Amino acid sequence: DSGVTQTPKHLITATGQRVTLRCSPRSGDLSVYWYQQSLDQGLQFLIQYYNGEERAKGNILERFSAQQFPDLHSELNLSSLELGDSALYFCASSVDWSTDTQYFGPGTRLTVL
Amino acid sequence: GQQVMQIPQYQHVQEGEDFTTYCNSSTTLSNIQWYKQRPGGHPVFLIQLVKSGEVKKQKRLTFQFGEAKKNSSLHITATQTTDVGTYFCARGDSNYQLIWGAGTKLIIKP
Repeated sequence: DSGVTQTPKHLITATGQRVTLRCSPRSGDLSVYWYQQSLDQGLQFLIQYYNGEERAKGNILERFSAQQFPDLHSELNLSSLELGDSALYFCASSVDWSTDTQYFGPGTRLTVL
Repeated sequence: GQQVMQIPQYQHVQEGEDFTTYCNSSTTLSNIQWYKQRPGGHPVFLIQLVKSGEVKKQKRLTFQFGEAKKNSSLHITATQTTDVGTYFCARGDSNYQLIWGAGTKLIIKP
């Protein structure tokens, strides 16, 4: 158990819909990262927040957005969903904003029908 | 930042055989991290290498960082079914982000 929690574990929705994925980092970690992993693919970095502020952006679509709240939990919002958005979405956390060890949550499996 | 090339994409081995995955970069790496993702699981941190020529061992796993700090390898001796999964390397870049390799999937032949 990494100490990072993600909800929900599974999410099934239809094309065009909007969903919100939630992540709580390990206690004491200030940085949160979001990754997308399509079936049998590598990890695609989406976005990073550090202490409430956006720190870095990766290959995140304009239909996707995220935020980190004062209690450091983070949410990833995915809108106008397409079939190709079906994937595992991982949240990871680290102590600070540098290339620290990242601790991953169990992931949310999103299926878009 | 520069990508990190990880090979092979897949490796099929008989149980008891050795396994190696390699990460290569065209630029000098400040550090390299290795993660393991079991089937159906999430990536789990294994180790970080920082020094040129560094070699670290964790039981049957041996991690190496090249002398020029441009490549790294993970070698597993006498694979077991518990080793099955995908092994990722990740390098730090100048923006303090982790740049991930594509991963090597270790498959044990039945």
